[in-house]
Amino acid sequence: DSGVTQTPKHLITATGQRVTLRCSPRSGDLSVYWYQQSLDQGLQFLIHYYNGEERAKGNILERFSAQQFPDLHSELNLSSLELGDSALYFCASSATGQTNYGYTFGSGTRLTVV
Amino acid sequence: GNSVTQMEGPVTLSEEAFLTINCTYTATGYPSLFWYVQYPGEGLQLLLKATKADDKGSNKGFEATYRKETTSFHLEKGSVQVSDSAVYFCALNQAGTALIFGKGTTLSVSS
Repeated sequence: DSGVTQTPKHLITATGQRVTLRCSPRSGDLSVYWYQQSLDQGLQFLIHYYNGEERAKGNILERFSAQQFPDLHSELNLSSLELGDSALYFCASSATGQTNYGYTFGSGTRLTVV
Repeated sequence: GNSVTQMEGPVTLSEEAFLTINCTYTATGYPSLFWYVQYPGEGLQLLLKATKADDKGSNKGFEATYRKETTSFHLEKGSVQVSDSAVYFCALNQAGTALIFGKGTTLSVSS
């Protein structure tokens, strides 16, 4: 157990729907990062939050949004889902906004859009 | 922009064989470099890291040396085991940016 908790582990939904993925960072970590892993694109950085504030955006679609709450858990919202959004979504956390020591990853949420 | 390129797999080896997975990077300045491993059905785990030139990261028999002159961070292990079968990701980070990953290399070790 890495200490980063992601729920749900699996999600199957239809095109056009909206889903919310949840992440609880490791105790004491203030930063949360979201990544999308697909076979063709590999691991793509989506967004970074630090202590409730958005710090950086990567290749995140406008249909996707995220937030980090006062208790530091984070949610990734995916709307108007398309077949191509099927992927593994990982959350990672780190103690600060600096990442010289790497991140701790959760086990991911596998999203299947049908 | 920053990027990481690693050798395409899959890499198929017999147990006790020597492993090298090549990784090169493009970055300005002095990034930190990492290798992560992903076992089937699991998230990524940090395997080793190096934060400055000539540093050697090592863990569980794996090693990688930060070579600034060749912008490389190749992963090596002298004798692989079946349990090393996984996907290996090379990654880099610079202050103020998120980790950037290579596309991953699948290693399959047979007994």
